[in-house]
Amino acid sequence: GIQVEQSPPDLILQEGANSTLRCNFSDSVNNLQWFHQNPWGQLINLFYIPSGTKQNGRLSATTVATERYSLLYISSSQTTDSGVYFCAVEPGDSWGKFQFGAGTQVVVTP
Amino acid sequence: EPEVTQTPSHQVTQMGQEVILRCVPISNHLYFYWYRQILGQKVEFLVSFYNNEISEKSEIFDDQFSVERPDGSNFTLKIRSTKLEDSAMYFCASGYRGGYTFGSGTRLTVV
Repeated sequence: GIQVEQSPPDLILQEGANSTLRCNFSDSVNNLQWFHQNPWGQLINLFYIPSGTKQNGRLSATTVATERYSLLYISSSQTTDSGVYFCAVEPGDSWGKFQFGAGTQVVVTP
Repeated sequence: EPEVTQTPSHQVTQMGQEVILRCVPISNHLYFYWYRQILGQKVEFLVSFYNNEISEKSEIFDDQFSVERPDGSNFTLKIRSTKLEDSAMYFCASGYRGGYTFGSGTRLTVV
């Protein structure tokens, strides 16, 4: 099956810092989505981004489908950005059956 | 923006009891899913549901699990006789090949 690798596995940021999270995937996909899991375990939809670039406030994401990677940018980080960021891909032959990466654990310190 | 709503947010149940997790998908979506995340592990696919029947299920989704769309708006996951290892976050999702929306999840604790 498709492999999804996220890096780095852990990230510690000081409030106000910027960061980039990466997601590599091993095969072509229909869809790629980014999620934030807060410290209470709740999953928050961030981006649906099979290709191109999107921005939502301090967060933005870019997917280069031909090179099989996606990047999530966090700018001016805040303590509320802490949590785990997951990338999930929908393989070309499996509509809606996402393969999740292991996530990047982000801790933003005051 | 439309949301997928899951209830309850946290459920505690005794081992061997039946539990039903509920989800209200986005109204014009046609495909529905359940995912599970055991503490500290990846989110993993359980089952997909389309046109009132299961379209695909994982190895995890054994006879203890069932799904139903009882009234055209709710989508439920039933675990017939819970085990300790069923303790996890359960996420519902809905979509139609153009992006999928996940609910915030139900934490199931089996004691």
